[in-house]
Amino acid sequence: EIVLTQSPGTLSLSPGERATLSCWASQRISSNYLAWYQQKPGQAPRLLISGASNRATGIPDRFSGSGSGTDFTLTISRLEPEDFAVYYCQHYGNFPWTFGQGTKVEIK
Amino acid sequence: QVQLVQSGPEVRKPGASVKVSCQTSGYRFTTSSHIHWVRQAPGQGLEWMGMINTGGGRISSTDRFQGRVTMTRDPSTTTVYLELSRLRSDDTAVYYCATESYGGNDNWGQGTLVTVSS
Repeated sequence: EIVLTQSPGTLSLSPGERATLSCWASQRISSNYLAWYQQKPGQAPRLLISGASNRATGIPDRFSGSGSGTDFTLTISRLEPEDFAVYYCQHYGNFPWTFGQGTKVEIK
Repeated sequence: QVQLVQSGPEVRKPGASVKVSCQTSGYRFTTSSHIHWVRQAPGQGLEWMGMINTGGGRISSTDRFQGRVTMTRDPSTTTVYLELSRLRSDDTAVYYCATESYGGNDNWGQGTLVTVSS
């Protein structure tokens, strides 16, 4: 089973600032089968990024993903008020799929 | 437009079973499509439970549930089901169904809260 570790646990930033979230995998993720999700309180997760760097339909271009192998990054170039939420990475290269423990992006 | 509508909240005693449904619309049940189940305990992160192939019914799931999980589907109503048996208090969670896209899970149900309490 691939273990995903996200860092930091909490990120305190102001609107307009840049957010950089990390996700490390315990084993190489084949074909960059890595996704990122946003979750707000009381809501289901929302797919942001798949294939490590491909934005899902309707996702603003301030969200970008990068990385390969075992190290991946989600960047939010300029935080909007609606971006304050919890973000999860997920691998889907082989079973079982797993999620990271999440990074909370909160308003400073 | 794909929509997933899940059944309502459930309360069960420890040792009992629960069955959660996920009715789809705008989604084709084929041998290439899969519905996944993910759960989230109160205040905790997301946990992938498993998936069912909507065409053939093949299941892949995580070992941690040790045979307590059953996933089924009904192509006539395009509905999938998750049944969890021998419930424990730490099974209290919101259970989500989600479709599988070319990468990850792109459409999600609204979630079903299952509470296990004596």
